[in-house]
Amino acid sequence: AQSVAQPEDQVNVAEGNPLTVKCTYSVSGNPYLFWYVQYPNRGLQFLLKYITGDNLVKGSYGFEAEFNKSQTSFHLKKPSALVSDSALYFCAVRDANSGYALNFGKGTSLLVTP
Amino acid sequence: NAGVTQTPKFRILKIGQSMTLQCTQDMNHNYMYWYRQDPGMGLKLIYYSVGAGITDKGEVPNGYNVSRSTTEDFPLRLELAAPSQTSVYFCASSSRAGIALAVQDTQYFGPGTRLTVL
Repeated sequence: AQSVAQPEDQVNVAEGNPLTVKCTYSVSGNPYLFWYVQYPNRGLQFLLKYITGDNLVKGSYGFEAEFNKSQTSFHLKKPSALVSDSALYFCAVRDANSGYALNFGKGTSLLVTP
Repeated sequence: NAGVTQTPKFRILKIGQSMTLQCTQDMNHNYMYWYRQDPGMGLKLIYYSVGAGITDKGEVPNGYNVSRSTTEDFPLRLELAAPSQTSVYFCASSSRAGIALAVQDTQYFGPGTRLTVL
């Protein structure tokens, strides 16, 4: 089965500092990996995805993610955090056996303090 | 484009009642999905559809039913509401038909329906 794990329930970072939200994956075959963000009482918004090609993927709002095959990781990063980045972040992997649905991690709550 | 819309936004049901959660997308996407989100659990797939007239079960289908009579609409039916169905429900859609690989599979989510069963 295709799955992802987010080892941190919460990440705290000061505004202006770099942030990393961790994700590891377990898949058979080539992974299709995604990051989504959820603001309070809102739906999920797409940030970025890895299909193939460059290991560094750039996405919306200044976020990027690094695909590392040897470590089976797909960590989300941003060079300088903003208070407005505070939200719930989900890593997900595509499951071709379920109509290409997404299997989500449990989510990581990011808190950026001024 | 409105994207993916869901109604209602909130609903309180009594045990045993039934209701339909509505989902509509205007992006001509062939794939549609229903997920439920429980605190600390991420999202779980309830049902999905790969096109009009075709639906299949996901990870947690018990207590739910779906239909897909048109490309745009994918309603989720709860027949006998139970407290375990208290959750936030999200509908999503994506496309895999005739477009570049880089665009495929990105799922677009609706704003969600918060359901409480008492």
